[in-house]
Amino acid sequence: KAGVTQTPRYLIKTRGQQVTLSCSPISGHRSVSWYQQTPGQGLQFLFEYFSETQRNKGNFPGRFSGRQFSNSRSEMNVSTLELGDSALYLCASSHLWSYEQYFGPGTRLTVT
Amino acid sequence: KQEVTQIPAALSVPEGENLVLNCSFTDSAIYNLQWFRQDPGKGLTSLLLIQSSQREQTSGRLNASLDKSSGRSTLYIAASQPGDSATYLCARGQGGSEKLVFGKGTKLTVNP
Repeated sequence: KAGVTQTPRYLIKTRGQQVTLSCSPISGHRSVSWYQQTPGQGLQFLFEYFSETQRNKGNFPGRFSGRQFSNSRSEMNVSTLELGDSALYLCASSHLWSYEQYFGPGTRLTVT
Repeated sequence: KQEVTQIPAALSVPEGENLVLNCSFTDSAIYNLQWFRQDPGKGLTSLLLIQSSQREQTSGRLNASLDKSSGRSTLYIAASQPGDSATYLCARGQGGSEKLVFGKGTKLTVNP
């Protein structure tokens, strides 16, 4: 069974631009969550989706948004990029209520 | 506020040693506790998941325990090997959501 896939793996953007990251969950998993990982703050929860609905949202500004499609694939978007948005963005999938999360390899975003 | 603390931040041991990694959390109303491993620049690999009704889980040389009353979980690694070198993260889950709250991790180095 294929694991969680994330594209692209690496991305370099300039301040003020916007970016879209993609996540394909494990087949059969309908719950997708996103996390931001930085050296200073560690792993922080961004949002969680199930059946195309956002179930939970972390404490991030409105520049961070996401969505989930009917095939459970998810995207997250960051608008008006800031230098502080440079991070590893991780996606995780799970069967709802199983609570065991499986993570993808992440997308390394660098904002210059 | 739900917080997860991992001490020490870094640990260096000789190959073959048995070791214990610690994780403490506030709020005894924990739903589950998951241990992950992260290699440099990579995503997270799930090691063990302990549901709130369980006290421990075992997988190969790994054993994780959960003591809700004291707000602690430990990850025991037997007969450590250089390949165990990585950052180990614990994360608490909450009921009704797939959201995980992570500790900052313990960076383990096993020296040959």
